[in-house]
Amino acid sequence: EADIYQTPRYLVIGTGKKITLECSQTMGHDKMYWYQQDPGMELHLIHYSYGVNSTEKGDLSSESTVSRIRTEHFPLTLESARPSHTSQYLCASSPSDLSTNEQFFGPGTRLTVL
Amino acid sequence: SQQGEEDPQALSIQEGENATMNCSYKTSINNLQWYRQNSGRGLVHLILIRSNEREKHSGRLRVTLDTSKKSSSLLITASRAADTASYFCATDPTGTASKLTFGTGTRLQVTL
Repeated sequence: EADIYQTPRYLVIGTGKKITLECSQTMGHDKMYWYQQDPGMELHLIHYSYGVNSTEKGDLSSESTVSRIRTEHFPLTLESARPSHTSQYLCASSPSDLSTNEQFFGPGTRLTVL
Repeated sequence: SQQGEEDPQALSIQEGENATMNCSYKTSINNLQWYRQNSGRGLVHLILIRSNEREKHSGRLRVTLDTSKKSSSLLITASRAADTASYFCATDPTGTASKLTFGTGTRLQVTL
């Protein structure tokens, strides 16, 4: 089992609140990713990072922001949550020395915005 | 549009039967990977096949890749109830610098 953690696992919050979803990995991986996944649907890449102080937007536009101050930590923040942000958010990591880009996933955070 | 399309979208079989899922993609790839997702959980990597490989085995899993048709298949033999999950293919397209593109997934239900 991969050493990548996400907290909280479930979050129910009201519209307009600021939230931060945490993602940490203990594998020393340089590359980290955030995906958004609606139930039963495909994954959409919303943010990625190749290392400390590197962040890029993914293929799906998102109002969230990310930071990468430490190798092991890649939090995602929503400044003002809306019902349209309701979804599952998956964090993943991948080592730079692996040419195959195999990714290791956390358990996910299921976010519900009322 | 989505790089990977999978079919069927859902598959229901009995324990002991084989399950086959297919994945089609659009661009050149370095490799293609298959992941499994249990309900409400993260994805787990199952098997990877490189663009210069045609077939690969891992336990009860068999993956094939046809780059001329831009398609792959995942075969699970002698399925078990514990195989019930969603299965996603993911392509590592050439020139996209470490980003995978995931397919739409196949939901597999294995009944006793």
